[in-house]
Amino acid sequence: DAKTTQPNSMESNEEEPVHLPCNHSTISGTDYIHWYRQLPSQGPEYVIHGLTSNVNNRMASLAIAEDRKSSTLILHRATLRDAAVYYCILRDMDSNYQLIWGAGTKLIIKP
Amino acid sequence: EPEVTQTPSHQVTQMGQEVILRCVPISNHLYFYWYRQILGQKVEFLVSFYNNEISEKSEIFDDQFSVERPDGSNFTLKIRSTKLEDSAMYFCASGDDRVGTGELFFGEGSRLTVL
Repeated sequence: DAKTTQPNSMESNEEEPVHLPCNHSTISGTDYIHWYRQLPSQGPEYVIHGLTSNVNNRMASLAIAEDRKSSTLILHRATLRDAAVYYCILRDMDSNYQLIWGAGTKLIIKP
Repeated sequence: EPEVTQTPSHQVTQMGQEVILRCVPISNHLYFYWYRQILGQKVEFLVSFYNNEISEKSEIFDDQFSVERPDGSNFTLKIRSTKLEDSAMYFCASGDDRVGTGELFFGEGSRLTVL
């Protein structure tokens, strides 16, 4: 089973920042926090990952709480093309580092 | 940008028939995966493959499934005797590390419809 908890859905206005939360209270010290997204009728796409420090890339930022029990994916300026299901996944030793998918958060972008 | 390619994009087959889904992973990657997604449901791990052998498989990956890397570039998933419940999107993925420090690259998927 997935070891993360995410809201089922969120709405945001186009061109505004979006903060997608994820809880992972059972995280252990060597677990990586990964985010993927799946656009409609497409394969999953990597977004970002991190271990302890906040991370930035061209797609998004990942803010990791100091106790690592939660994280937030930040899309700085959402566009209609960012409408997708966003998955927060722990890659951990218990699951042999496999991606164990939950239901994710369906992000709806309003024009 | 390198990408994972999958063929066919859609295959319709009769129950009991054999199906082979093909994937070309990114060329310098060492780890290969198959996932499936039944319509409206979660993505599910099927199998991982490294060094020409299965490294891990899920409960779903029973004896009707097999994987192969026949020629060093293609990575195939064979379903020996398809059942109605095998209807799903099948995604191939590849990566260059196993322990979580890198990303997996996914193909666009092969939709399998079993009639």
